Amino acid sequence: DTGVSQNPRHKITKRGQNVTFRCDPISEHNRLYWYRQTLGQGPEFLTYFQNEAQLEKSRLLSDRFSAERPKGSFSTLEIQRTEQGDSAMYLCASSHRGFQETQYFGPGTRLLVL
Amino acid sequence: AQTVTQSQPEMSVQEAETVTLSCTYDTSESDYYLFWYKQPPSRQMILVIRQEAYKQQNATENRFSVNFQKAAKSFSLKISDSQLGDAAMYFCAYRSAKRGANSKLTFGKGITLSVRP
Repeated sequence: DTGVSQNPRHKITKRGQNVTFRCDPISEHNRLYWYRQTLGQGPEFLTYFQNEAQLEKSRLLSDRFSAERPKGSFSTLEIQRTEQGDSAMYLCASSHRGFQETQYFGPGTRLLVL
Repeated sequence: AQTVTQSQPEMSVQEAETVTLSCTYDTSESDYYLFWYKQPPSRQMILVIRQEAYKQQNATENRFSVNFQKAAKSFSLKISDSQLGDAAMYFCAYRSAKRGANSKLTFGKGITLSVRP
């Protein structure tokens, strides 16, 4: 069990560019979540997957955001035409659906849009 | 919608002393889970402790314990024998236990805990 990993850890981009982040969950975890955290705030839910199915998307997830989880393993979060307001830490978490479900977080990807 | 409130932005504690971090929440549900997560500077968030709402007994994990007051919708974290490594941001979080509900976490704004040597 190597924990949840995220890549890249840091990303600096210019406004208008597209960026893609990757999350590798703990193996055998069938649920995967994306959250966004801005400075001084708690994480806010963006979207989640059960296996390969995307079951819910937050209103925070505008049309410029898309997430996938092909084959129910790793997930990608893409932001198109980035804006300065997209600057934040993007956190991924995974869990195994069940009674004692606990979400385990990755280290996050810090995005800075210039 | 559920909300989680952490009204203290910062707290400080002397090493080896005890500190209590406050959290209140609002929900119309009767079955849910509450969590405290710790986020050290530039490091990933880790689970400190969890509480099932149906359990009357307060959860404990070594030096960490909670005071869960369901009627008051209060969920405070007590850290005993504080250590320098306890310095971090602490987030209170809520998750619905309702069948079929999205199992997302709803977080408070967090509290920054500093530990004085």
